[in-house]
Amino acid sequence: DVKVTQSSRYLVKRTGEKVFLECVQDMDHENMFWYRQDPGLGLRLIYFSYDVKMKEKGDIPEGYSVSREKKERFSLILESASTNQTSMYLCASSPGQYMNTEAFFGQGTRLTVV
Amino acid sequence: AQTVTQSQPEMSVQEAETVTLSCTYDTSESNYYLFWYKQPPSRQMILVIRQEAYKQQNATENRFSVNFQKAAKSFSLKISDSQLGDTAMYFCAFMKGRVQGAQKLVFGQGTRLTINP
Repeated sequence: DVKVTQSSRYLVKRTGEKVFLECVQDMDHENMFWYRQDPGLGLRLIYFSYDVKMKEKGDIPEGYSVSREKKERFSLILESASTNQTSMYLCASSPGQYMNTEAFFGQGTRLTVV
Repeated sequence: AQTVTQSQPEMSVQEAETVTLSCTYDTSESNYYLFWYKQPPSRQMILVIRQEAYKQQNATENRFSVNFQKAAKSFSLKISDSQLGDTAMYFCAFMKGRVQGAQKLVFGQGTRLTINP
C-alpha cells in the first residue's frame, strides 16, 4: 500500500515563527502536493512538485514556500506564520505524468497559529 | 480554469437508506477524470470511486455508484444501503488527463454526510 506520512497530526505555533511541515511518501511517486483544507472551501492547492527540486505554485501560494531535495520528501514552509494560516494541511502524492491515477493522501496536520 | 461545485454542505439519512450527493463541474477539456473521496473523522482521505470521462458506463464499487452526465457536467455519488461507517466528509474532485507535469486535483467544497442509527 502507498503510504504518505506527515510528521505531525497537531501543531501549535506562535505568530511570526517559521514553521516546517514535512511529508514523506514511500512509493517512488514523481508528484507531490500540498493542500490546505478549510470548512466550506474544500481543499485548495498551495504548491506542487513533479520532480526533485522542481516546484510550481498552486492556487494559494502566498505566505508559503516548499522544498523538495529528495524524491520522497516534500516540505511546506511558512516563513512567518500568521493566524490566517491556521488550517488543516494535507500532503498528497501520485505517480508520474500521464499516469492518470488518483492522488494518495497523508493523515493531515492541523496547524493552529496563536 | 476548472471548477467543482458541491451544493449540499450537509446531509443526514437513516442507516440502510440510499443517499445521493451532488457534484457539478465546469471545464472545456474533453479528456479528464472525476473522483469521489471520503474523509472520515480519522481525517484520512480515501478514494471511493473514479470515472474516466471517455467512458459512458457509470462506475460502480460495491454500494457506491455514480451518475455521470457528461453533457450536463454532473457527477453525483449514490450510496446504497448506507452504513454508520459511511459517516464522513465527501469531496468531489476533477483531474485533467494527459498533461505534462503533475496532474493536479481540483476539489469541491465538500458534503458532510451523517448516517443515523
